[in-house]
Amino acid sequence: TQLLEQSPQFLSIQEGENLTVYCNSSSVFSSLQWYRQEPGEGPVLLVTVVTGGEVKKLKRLTFQFGDARKDSSLHITAAQPGDTGLYLCAGARRDRFGGTSYGKLTFGQGTILTVHP
Amino acid sequence: DSGVTQTPKHLITATGQRVTLRCSPRSGDLSVYWYQQSLDQGLQFLIQYYNGEERAKGNILERFSAQQFPDLHSELNLSSLELGDSALYFCASSVGQVLTDTQYFGPGTRLTVL
Repeated sequence: TQLLEQSPQFLSIQEGENLTVYCNSSSVFSSLQWYRQEPGEGPVLLVTVVTGGEVKKLKRLTFQFGDARKDSSLHITAAQPGDTGLYLCAGARRDRFGGTSYGKLTFGQGTILTVHP
Repeated sequence: DSGVTQTPKHLITATGQRVTLRCSPRSGDLSVYWYQQSLDQGLQFLIQYYNGEERAKGNILERFSAQQFPDLHSELNLSSLELGDSALYFCASSVGQVLTDTQYFGPGTRLTVL
């Protein structure tokens, strides 16, 4: 059972187009992160959202955390070939251990984005 | 370059064998995380250590074990290897252990079991 469902799995678009990637769950997460991974490399953190309804912008990328903290979206405006990669969402849920909050990340299956020049 | 190093980069071995993957965290980071990435399962959390102690466990098989040493480097031991263990294994590190600490991923070790 995949706790985090990402859609679409594959996205192939032309340079200059806009796109949205969705990350949905039936579970509530304390925080949600978006990563980008290029071939042969590890994922790189793009953003962390922690508050329901939060919107964060990173240049042409806009991230939104759902009000109920069960879903998130990543919107890219005017996509460029350099945006090509695997985009992963990851949720963290709070666990208690000796009063210190820590968590393990649950990753979605990822969206492979290809932006053609 | 994330500052996290992993060795070896590639590993090819046979079923039934045992291998050790090594990870050196970023300078100053106390937490180390291990992940497995495969085509069918995606990126899955295996285990987390903080300052030498196990902090969280994910979908780690009993044939797999890990430890973090006093110098904070970590090793992931995989034994009785099966074909299905072929995957990319990532190590990540963070300064602390709270939810919003940024995890920095290493370049990964590609394990092929023949």
